[in-house]
Amino acid sequence: GAGVSQSPSNKVTEKGKDVELRCDPISGHTALYWYRQSLGQGLEFLIYFQGNSAPDKSGLPSDRFSAERTGGSVSTLTIQRTQQEDSAVYLCASSFRAGGKTGELFFGEGSRLTVL
Amino acid sequence: GENVEQHPSTLSVQEGDSAVIKCTYSDSASNYFPWYKQELGKRPQLIIDIRSNVGEKKDQRIAVTLNKTAKHFSLHITETQPEDSAVYFCAAGDYKLSFGAGTTVTVRA
Repeated sequence: GAGVSQSPSNKVTEKGKDVELRCDPISGHTALYWYRQSLGQGLEFLIYFQGNSAPDKSGLPSDRFSAERTGGSVSTLTIQRTQQEDSAVYLCASSFRAGGKTGELFFGEGSRLTVL
Repeated sequence: GENVEQHPSTLSVQEGDSAVIKCTYSDSASNYFPWYKQELGKRPQLIIDIRSNVGEKKDQRIAVTLNKTAKHFSLHITETQPEDSAVYFCAAGDYKLSFGAGTTVTVRA
């Protein structure tokens, strides 16, 4: 596709339910990132993928959060047993990383998660 | 890990005036410093970036300066226009970017 695609764009769920958020990066981009943006806040790093491996999961807030990437392309972020504090916009970004240099991050429109 | 602080949190300028946003970072290993603009309800988009081997970079009305010794970098917008109104984020890092908390810029017509 032309850009980073995320789904769903909006998700309202009840506390305790599991949710899955999907990210389809720009074709050919080897690096993929998940960030979280709470209302009026900056972007909080969650996890980084290079290809299918995740060398940096240091930003995942708890073991309720997990992510995977398959085929070096689509990634899913799963939040189990959601809590109200999980409410935020989850942004995915992809980048073409070459020669050890980080390139421009292209962000998706985000998935807005509301936990009631 | 990297810690990025950004000031001010809000900035109101008269159209045509300049706007300056400053950021500091903590990790001396950081070598990439982009700036992103996020309009209301939209995704963040890169407006300019600088790498650690360069002290200054300019693109039309936007410029960024980097002082690696002091670990700070700044965004300068000259001749501001209403369409410059947005939230601006600085970031620092390498493969992983840590973002500042953002500056809400309002350009008054």
